[in-house]
Amino acid sequence: QEHLLESGGGLVKPGGSLRLSCGVSGFSMRGYFMDWIRQAPGKGLEWISYISKTGSTIYYADSVKGRFTISRDNAKNSLYLQMDSLRVDDTAVYYCVRENEFGGNMDSWGQGTLVTVSS
Amino acid sequence: QSALTQPASVSGSPGQSITISCAGTTSDVGRYDLVSWFQQYPGKAPKLIIFEVIKRPSGVSDRFSGSKSGNTASLTISGLQTEDEADYYCCSYAGTSRYVLFGGGTKLTVL
Repeated sequence: QEHLLESGGGLVKPGGSLRLSCGVSGFSMRGYFMDWIRQAPGKGLEWISYISKTGSTIYYADSVKGRFTISRDNAKNSLYLQMDSLRVDDTAVYYCVRENEFGGNMDSWGQGTLVTVSS
Repeated sequence: QSALTQPASVSGSPGQSITISCAGTTSDVGRYDLVSWFQQYPGKAPKLIIFEVIKRPSGVSDRFSGSKSGNTASLTISGLQTEDEADYYCCSYAGTSRYVLFGGGTKLTVL
């Protein structure tokens, strides 16, 4: 049974930084594309970043480009999201997501970690 | 405003069928057969229920079905059950510049 567990969320001031981690178990992460998707309180889902199996290809949503950095360590079965220059509108639950096939077949999700950006 | 357009809410009675639409453009829904649908209960993570327009993951009820016509995808739930009351999101691949887009979500109420 695959399992994804995010950590690293919390309260941070505008302009601050936070690093999210996602540990996976029950499968080898090296065989999958991975994504971060977020959901602001009471709002819909927003894709924010994708990383290929080897990390050679990365995409970002315009809303986070230049501020967030996705990375992965397949040996540790871990996915990361470095978030810098955080803004109030980055407040959301951040989900670590496994992608079974390229193009949105997001078949396994973590439970999410809440990031709150507030002064 | 979300990139894909879904109705904010739909409702139906137990046993009935409902359809949720997801309108995109020729750059996303209309161009690729890579539309997914997710079910989300309050406070829970989304769950994949349809991928590649019409395919169901193992374990998902065959009461859920997907389709696409032109730039609009649809999710149909037949034989509505009270447990189907949840939020539903569509998602489409949109090329490497935007990768994937989500709809704004539809709240399904089973009366």
